Amino acid sequence: NAGVTQTPKFRVLKTGQSMTLLCAQDMNHEYMYWYRQDPGMGLRLIHYSVGEGTTAKGEVPDGYNVSRLKKQNFLLGLESAAPSQTSVYFCASSPDRVWAKYNEQFFGPGTRLTVL
Amino acid sequence: GDSVTQMEGPVTLSEEAFLTINCTYTATGYPSLFWYVQYPGEGLQLLLKATKADDKGSNKGFEATYRKETTSFHLEKGSVQVSDSAVYFCALHSGGGADGLTFGKGTHLIIQP
Repeated sequence: NAGVTQTPKFRVLKTGQSMTLLCAQDMNHEYMYWYRQDPGMGLRLIHYSVGEGTTAKGEVPDGYNVSRLKKQNFLLGLESAAPSQTSVYFCASSPDRVWAKYNEQFFGPGTRLTVL
Repeated sequence: GDSVTQMEGPVTLSEEAFLTINCTYTATGYPSLFWYVQYPGEGLQLLLKATKADDKGSNKGFEATYRKETTSFHLEKGSVQVSDSAVYFCALHSGGGADGLTFGKGTHLIIQP
């Protein structure tokens, strides 16, 4: 099992450019999440999905869009990148709601995005 | 809303020292509590968790007890090793609203030989 993988690992964009980050998991998990990690801020939830074809907003959704067309993939899109979106982006998945006993979120290695 | 407060780092200790990283929380209802660890250049890994009051989570020599009366979930280890150097995140899930975790800002732990 590869677990949770993220593509690409690094990316540099210019302001106004667009891009898509891909997250893939091979554990047949229902739930998937996108977080951003900023210095001194911990991780903040951008969007999440509770199953194929569903998406929902998290704490900081503005400027991002997501899609979950296949159960194993969760895409994060930036339509017009801004310097404030410079961050490390983490994808995670879990088999069920994280508060259920024995459940946990499994994280990918992260994508480091710089917007100039 | 939900929030997690943990001690700011970096925390620098010598090998074999005793470790405590404080974590307190504010949440509605009865949250589940977690400690995640992030090693350099990697994603987060679950270290331990507790789902109800007085539960003790433990893993790799680390322990934390869910204290509802003090809304705390402090991480402890009796004897740290250089390999424990990492960033540690306290997190919670309250079961309402967004389904993701609410994280603290992270504590950078540095263990010197």
